[in-house]
Amino acid sequence: AQSVTQLDSQVPVFEEAPVELRCNYSSSVSVYLFWYVQYPNQGLQLLLKYLSGSTLVKGINGFEAEFNKSQTSFHLRKPSVHISDTAEYFCAVIYNQGGKLIFGQGTELSVKP
Amino acid sequence: GAVVSQHPSWVICKSGTSVKIECRSLDFQATTMFWYRQFPKQSLMLMATSNEGSKATYEQGVEKDKFLINHASLTLSTLTVTSAHPEDSSFYICSARDRVGDGYTFGSGTRLTVV
Repeated sequence: AQSVTQLDSQVPVFEEAPVELRCNYSSSVSVYLFWYVQYPNQGLQLLLKYLSGSTLVKGINGFEAEFNKSQTSFHLRKPSVHISDTAEYFCAVIYNQGGKLIFGQGTELSVKP
Repeated sequence: GAVVSQHPSWVICKSGTSVKIECRSLDFQATTMFWYRQFPKQSLMLMATSNEGSKATYEQGVEKDKFLINHASLTLSTLTVTSAHPEDSSFYICSARDRVGDGYTFGSGTRLTVV
């Protein structure tokens, strides 16, 4: 079945440290990949997306992600996090053009001073 | 960029009453809108897909008579929770898509509390 797996439910990290949030999807054919951030009691904001082209995608707020087709992964990274990055992060995939957006379980990033 | 406006942001209603939530695409036409439900500390669960001018497509297990969806125009979709009960309390989020592959723009969500 088509699915998205976020391997870490919670990631605690100290301010200014690097962080990686992991995401794997279940199929390597024709995927569009997204990372969203959700602050408490708010909707989702798009961080970045991969549709085609360069496998390294840069997004807002200093985040980037790399599409790895052989490992069916799309991990999110930031070299130096801030307190304000504390939020829930969702990886999402569209498996076929026009298909539904399928979400991972979410990763709670907690940045500590 | 594309903006989706969702109202109200929060609502408290009595058990047995109905509540309507609106989702508007402000600067683009959305032929397809989606309604999600999110429980605390959980991911988004797709409830239904709303297409302008046609009946919504509901996901398995979602009661179409309880969650009425109307997509009467290219910029507005509504979700009505009918005869609400405390177990319907949740965070409801809509999203809209204007072009395939460009991703989805999300509303700010509605916190529904049924007392």
